[in-house]
Amino acid sequence: GAGVSQSPSNKVTEKGKDVELRCDPISGHTALYWYRQSLGQGLEFLIYFQGNSAPDKSGLPSDRFSAERTGGSVSTLTIQRTQQEDSAVYLCASSWAVNTEAFFGQGTRLTVV
Amino acid sequence: TQLLEQSPQFLSIQEGENLTVYCNSSSVFSSLQWYRQEPGEGPVLLVTVVTGGEVKKLKRLTFQFGDARKDSSLHITAAQPGDTGLYLCAGLNSGGSNYKLTFGKGTLLTVNP
Repeated sequence: GAGVSQSPSNKVTEKGKDVELRCDPISGHTALYWYRQSLGQGLEFLIYFQGNSAPDKSGLPSDRFSAERTGGSVSTLTIQRTQQEDSAVYLCASSWAVNTEAFFGQGTRLTVV
Repeated sequence: TQLLEQSPQFLSIQEGENLTVYCNSSSVFSSLQWYRQEPGEGPVLLVTVVTGGEVKKLKRLTFQFGDARKDSSLHITAAQPGDTGLYLCAGLNSGGSNYKLTFGKGTLLTVNP
């Protein structure tokens, strides 16, 4: 596709349920990032994938959060046993390589009720 | 932990006025980026400044990187309603994790016709 695509655009889930958020990066981009944007807060780094290297998971807030990237392309962010504080916009970005311009998707707005 | 303080948090002005947004940190960044984000969309990169003291212009927008590479400013001349949006500064870490962006909380700009 022409840009980074995220799905779903909006997700409302009940507290305690698991959710999966999907990111389709721009074709050929080797680097993929997940950020979280909460109300009144800046974007918070979650995880970084670069090619076949081990991902940097240092930004994941708890062990309920996990992410994978299959075949160096599509990435899925999974949140288990969702809590209300997980409500936020989850943004995915990709770039051709490290230190090159990152292009963001439109985000997934997650609401935990 | 590297932090970026952005000010003001909110700014509402009339069309034709000038404004400046500030981004300050006690940390040194290898580069600093400015993004604009519209509702329901991901951030879009406006500019990257790399060299201390660097000034870049993008039409009516002027970006400056501080000499010590710890702070930056965005100046808009003769603001227009189309400039309305959330402006985010983000510093790129130096050293090993040179792919992580540290974001400020943003400045929500409203330009009234």
